[in-house]
Amino acid sequence: EDQVTQSPEALRLQEGESSSLNCSYTVSGLRGLFWYRQDPGKGPEFLFTLYSAGEEKEKERLKATLTKKESFLHITAPKPEDSATYLCAVPWSNDYKLSFGAGTTVTVRA
Amino acid sequence: DVKVTQSSRYLVKRTGEKVFLECVQDMDHENMFWYRQDPGLGLRLIYFSYDVKMKEKGDIPEGYSVSREKKERFSLILESASTNQTSMYLCASSLLGQGPNYGYTFGSGTRLTVV
Repeated sequence: EDQVTQSPEALRLQEGESSSLNCSYTVSGLRGLFWYRQDPGKGPEFLFTLYSAGEEKEKERLKATLTKKESFLHITAPKPEDSATYLCAVPWSNDYKLSFGAGTTVTVRA
Repeated sequence: DVKVTQSSRYLVKRTGEKVFLECVQDMDHENMFWYRQDPGLGLRLIYFSYDVKMKEKGDIPEGYSVSREKKERFSLILESASTNQTSMYLCASSLLGQGPNYGYTFGSGTRLTVV
């Protein structure tokens, strides 16, 4: 069964304190891994797609990396506006529907 | 930019009521999806549709139905609302197939409370 697991569930950071979020998956024949950001009371907003091991994508203070079994979202020198829930998702192995992890809620204190 | 619009941000309904949640997208996407999101459980797929009048069950279809009469509109129906259907409901759309355009675009969500 395809599964996506994110850790930690919650992360509290001081402004400027860099850290990483983990997304591990068990799906055969990965056809992409997606990262989304979700602010409270809003729908998820697309951040990155990664397709192959070794690939990296960057956007401002965020960098996503992919290995054969997991992906990391690195937050460098975070600011309070980076506070959000970060979700990762992978397509189901036999279809194009996305299976989502439960998310990591990041809180950055000034 | 693709826009996915959900008709209501907040709804309060009574147990047993029939509830309609509407979703409209404006970029001619083939795929449309309904998810519910609950703390600690993440997003769970209720129903999805690849084309007009087509629908397929997701992980948790019980108690729900859907309608897609036009390509841009996908409706979620709670046949008889129950308190365990209190949740955030998210609609999404995407292009068919894979590639850089594969990622979903989500609406802002409808927070439904059943009392």
